[in-house]
Amino acid sequence: AQRVTQPEKLLSVFKGAPVELKCNYSYSGSPELFWYVQYSRQRLQLLLRHISRESIKGFTADLNKGETSFHLKKPFAQEEDSAMYYCALRGGGADGLTFGKGTHLIIQP
Amino acid sequence: EAGVAQSPRYKIIEKRQSVAFWCNPISGHATLYWYQQILGQGPKLLIQFQNNGVVDDSQLPKDRFSAERLKGVDSTLKIQPAKLEDSAVYLCASSSVGRDTEAFFGQGTRLTVV
Repeated sequence: AQRVTQPEKLLSVFKGAPVELKCNYSYSGSPELFWYVQYSRQRLQLLLRHISRESIKGFTADLNKGETSFHLKKPFAQEEDSAMYYCALRGGGADGLTFGKGTHLIIQP
Repeated sequence: EAGVAQSPRYKIIEKRQSVAFWCNPISGHATLYWYQQILGQGPKLLIQFQNNGVVDDSQLPKDRFSAERLKGVDSTLKIQPAKLEDSAVYLCASSSVGRDTEAFFGQGTRLTVV
């Protein structure tokens, strides 16, 4: 069975501070990992995926297969980063995503 | 391009009643998903269609939930009869075919069962 764990329900940091949202997964094969974001009153949208190895809005995430982690990082938080962040996994033959419970990120001024 | 459209946005029903949700995916997207998101949790996949065929419905409570995608475009998700624990946001998403593709989500339908 596949599972995604986001240990922090809420993370509050000050503007300009570094941010790290943790994500650990459980999957026996080679998964695809994603970070989705939901800003207030907006729909869920893709932030980044491990296969692209890109930086979006200053965020990066590296897949660590040894630690089965895909933590999301940003060196300097901005107020507009406040949102719900969901880590998700896609594995197996189907394309459906398995989501973690989400982390509510609050950036304080 | 137009996004995934869902209706209604909100629905309140009494337990044991029935309810239906509608989804119109992005034009040309062959894959359509329905997710259930209970308050405080991440979305959970209920069913996945590719065109008008079911790819995965392993987590769909088939005794009360049903879904169809006639003609491989729009989709409806029905609950009959509803239970209190069905209160959730029901999200529809669509994507083009293939593994390296992005799923685009609708705004969701917030269902409250009283």
